[in-house]
Amino acid sequence: EVQLVESGGGLVQPGGSLRLSCAASGFTFSDTWMHWVRQAPGKGLEWVSRIKTDGTYTTYADSVKGRFTISRDNAKNTLYLQMNSLRAEDTAVYYCARGGSGYQTNWGQGTLVTVSS
Amino acid sequence: EIVLTQSPGTLSLSPGERATLSCRASQTVNSNYLAWYQQKPGQAPRLLIYGASSRATGIPDRLSGSGSGTDFTLTISRLEPEDFAVYYCQQYGSSLITFGGGTKVEIK
Repeated sequence: EVQLVESGGGLVQPGGSLRLSCAASGFTFSDTWMHWVRQAPGKGLEWVSRIKTDGTYTTYADSVKGRFTISRDNAKNTLYLQMNSLRAEDTAVYYCARGGSGYQTNWGQGTLVTVSS
Repeated sequence: EIVLTQSPGTLSLSPGERATLSCRASQTVNSNYLAWYQQKPGQAPRLLIYGASSRATGIPDRLSGSGSGTDFTLTISRLEPEDFAVYYCQQYGSSLITFGGGTKVEIK
């Protein structure tokens, strides 16, 4: 069974940093593109970033480019999202998702990030 | 960036009725790389359709996707109680993946 478990969310002040993790199991992590998608409270879905199987290719939404960094450790079956220079508008539930280079086939339950002073 | 516009914002229907959800793109979606997701309150999204018309694993055939170019449709032939939820379209044909704003299907 595919499992994706996010962690690392919490309350952070504007301008601060946070690193999210996503522990994956039930599939061959190193063969799978991975994504981060977020959802602000009461709002729709926003794709954030994706990373290729070996970590050599990444893309980002314009809203986070230059502030967020996606990475992965295939030996640990873990996906990461380093978030710097956080803003109030980054407040959201962050989902880790498995998929191809495009759509997402499996999703975690999400971790809430709140940016507030 | 490709902007996806979903309509209507809310659809009020009764169980057993047919639901037709629209997703319009601001420019052509390459290779019809268009997906649909369902989300219920407090839950993560679930993939329904990819490649505009291919059903994901375990999705019943009362749900179907169609369309090409800039106009896409998700149809639920006969609404079941578990179908009342929010639906999002997503394009993944460009380097920047984008979602539509969602359509809520509610019980009338």
